[in-house]
Amino acid sequence: DAKTTQPPSMDCAEGRAANLPCNHSTISGNEYVYWYRQIHSQGPQYIIHGLKNNETNEMASLIITEDRKSSTLILPHATLRDTAVYYCIVRVRGGRYGQNFVFGPGTRLSVLP
Amino acid sequence: DAGITQSPRHKVTETGTPVTLRCHQTENHRYMYWYRQDPGHGLRLIHYSYGVKDTDKGEVSDGYSVSRSKTEDFLLTLESATSSQTSVYFCAISAGTSGGDTDTQYFGPGTRLTVL
Repeated sequence: DAKTTQPPSMDCAEGRAANLPCNHSTISGNEYVYWYRQIHSQGPQYIIHGLKNNETNEMASLIITEDRKSSTLILPHATLRDTAVYYCIVRVRGGRYGQNFVFGPGTRLSVLP
Repeated sequence: DAGITQSPRHKVTETGTPVTLRCHQTENHRYMYWYRQDPGHGLRLIHYSYGVKDTDKGEVSDGYSVSRSKTEDFLLTLESATSSQTSVYFCAISAGTSGGDTDTQYFGPGTRLTVL
């Protein structure tokens, strides 16, 4: 079962920041938070990941609360091409490689013109 | 984009026939994975490989087998396809170095399989 909770859908105006929340209240100390997205029927695309500090790359920023029980993915200037399903995933500690990523239903982000 | 290709991209087959899907990578990554994606189920892990000739089962491995005879190729075989195996299949790779944040998975474009 997925260890994260995300809203099923969100809308965002083109050019504005898109803030996608994720709740992971049972996260363990060594578990990372990963974000992926899937545009239409393409393969999931890696966006960003973090452990406890805020992270930024060319695609997005990841803000993790101090207690690590929730996080927010920020797309600073959303475009129509950012319309996709966004997955927040907690990497399960231990276990075998290959069984560490559990994809939930995600958030369907619609960027509106 | 990670150098991952999948073939075929689309396939229609009949129940009972064998089907092999191929995943090819040019990254020399150690770990390779097969997922299937179905409406209402998200992505589910079928099998994965942690090196040449080293494979293990995921959560939905029944009816599937895999082989990895060289680093760059990971094959998924449906010995006798059934309609329940109609799905979109994604291959993924990861470098998989020890522990923490270096096992980000990168996904291929997918294969859409229809079993009639």
